Amino acid sequence: GIQVEQSPPDLILQEGANSTLRCNFSDSVNNLQWFHQNPWGQLINLFYIPSGTKQNGRLSATTVATERYSLLYISSSQTTDSGVYFCAVGERAGGTSYGKLTFGQGTILTVHP
Amino acid sequence: EADIYQTPRYLVIGTGKKITLECSQTMGHDKMYWYQQDPGMELHLIHYSYGVNSTEKGDLSSESTVSRIRTEHFPLTLESARPSHTSQYLCASSAGGQYGTDTQYFGPGTRLTVL
Repeated sequence: GIQVEQSPPDLILQEGANSTLRCNFSDSVNNLQWFHQNPWGQLINLFYIPSGTKQNGRLSATTVATERYSLLYISSSQTTDSGVYFCAVGERAGGTSYGKLTFGQGTILTVHP
Repeated sequence: EADIYQTPRYLVIGTGKKITLECSQTMGHDKMYWYQQDPGMELHLIHYSYGVNSTEKGDLSSESTVSRIRTEHFPLTLESARPSHTSQYLCASSAGGQYGTDTQYFGPGTRLTVL
């Protein structure tokens, strides 16, 4: 199956700093989502971005499907940004993985005041 | 965001008990999923459904079973809980775009502890 690698595994920031999280994947995808998991375990959708660039407030994401990677940018970080950020991908149609997501291992972000 | 609900949120139970974790969504989504997540680890798909009376096993082997009798309801059952089943269980749903090009929305999760 498809492999998903996220980096860095851990990231510690001071409030106000910017950061970039990376997601590499091993095969063609037609679904890529970024999630934030809060301390209570809830997964919050950040972006559905199988290709292109999107922005939502202080967050933005870019996926370069031909080079098999995606980046999540967090600007002017806040303590409430702390948590685990997951990238998840869905393989192209035609295989047995139709509609299913494979998750990376996550990036643990800690933002200090 | 989709409205997707899971109960109970927390469950502590003894070995050998039968349990059912509930998952319901009010968005009319055809596709539903169950993921298992150990603390600090990635999520692994254990079951999925593409519609009523459709269920399939996911990538991670699980002793649990699921059913899909109604579109909005996708319960997960463990016939005899064991300590190895201790984990967080997350339910998700999606509308079902062509070739899987759709957004998955997650419930709040059930944190299960088997003593």
